[in-house]
Amino acid sequence: GESVGLHLPTLSVQEGDNSIINCAYSNSASDYFIWYKQESGKGPQFIIDIRSNMDKRQGQRVTVLLNKTVKHLSLQIAATQPGDSAVYFCAENRGQAGTALIFGKGTTLSVSS
Amino acid sequence: DAGVIQSPRHEVTEMGQEVTLRCKPISGHDYLFWYRQTMMRGLELLIYFNNNVPIDDSGMPEDRFSAKMPNASFSTLKIQPSEPRDSAVYFCASSPGGGGTQYFGPGTRLLVL
Repeated sequence: GESVGLHLPTLSVQEGDNSIINCAYSNSASDYFIWYKQESGKGPQFIIDIRSNMDKRQGQRVTVLLNKTVKHLSLQIAATQPGDSAVYFCAENRGQAGTALIFGKGTTLSVSS
Repeated sequence: DAGVIQSPRHEVTEMGQEVTLRCKPISGHDYLFWYRQTMMRGLELLIYFNNNVPIDDSGMPEDRFSAKMPNASFSTLKIQPSEPRDSAVYFCASSPGGGGTQYFGPGTRLLVL
């Protein structure tokens, strides 16, 4: 069925490395995507978003890439820090105004120093 | 802005008791969402409101769950009677649009014994 999914449930990196978290979506009508970060004991926190008319969007140390051909979304974190350790969720809006976001299962990023 | 406010932050109750979770959305946001998060099922959308009107409650697990939004600044999620399998973290989120960025509260950690 249709779903927002993640390629890997966990990712372990060394401090200072770059991290890449991947997400696949199945609905070609999806036109808006968001990455959330959830730290232990807290609610999901908005990181960055991208609309389907863009391929790339950059924030502070984070970059989101969107490949509509293969329905793939990725979050790149530069110079990963211990404070980046969290669960990362991708979410999509399936192209219908007024509908809720659909969240993926999440990838746990673990950063060791 | 104080962000989305939820209360209580923690709730421990016994099976069969009524539980009421509360949420105050960000002022000016016209959408409000209730989610449940567990290790097994991840982040599940329970119900969402637009301008205080329930739009989609298909995620509400059963009749024991009910949600209300009497005004733009307050919503409740009620479980009556509660069961141990209702133990989870319940998040409230609000957004200024249906398919746009959602801002999450800190969550209510519910334990039903």
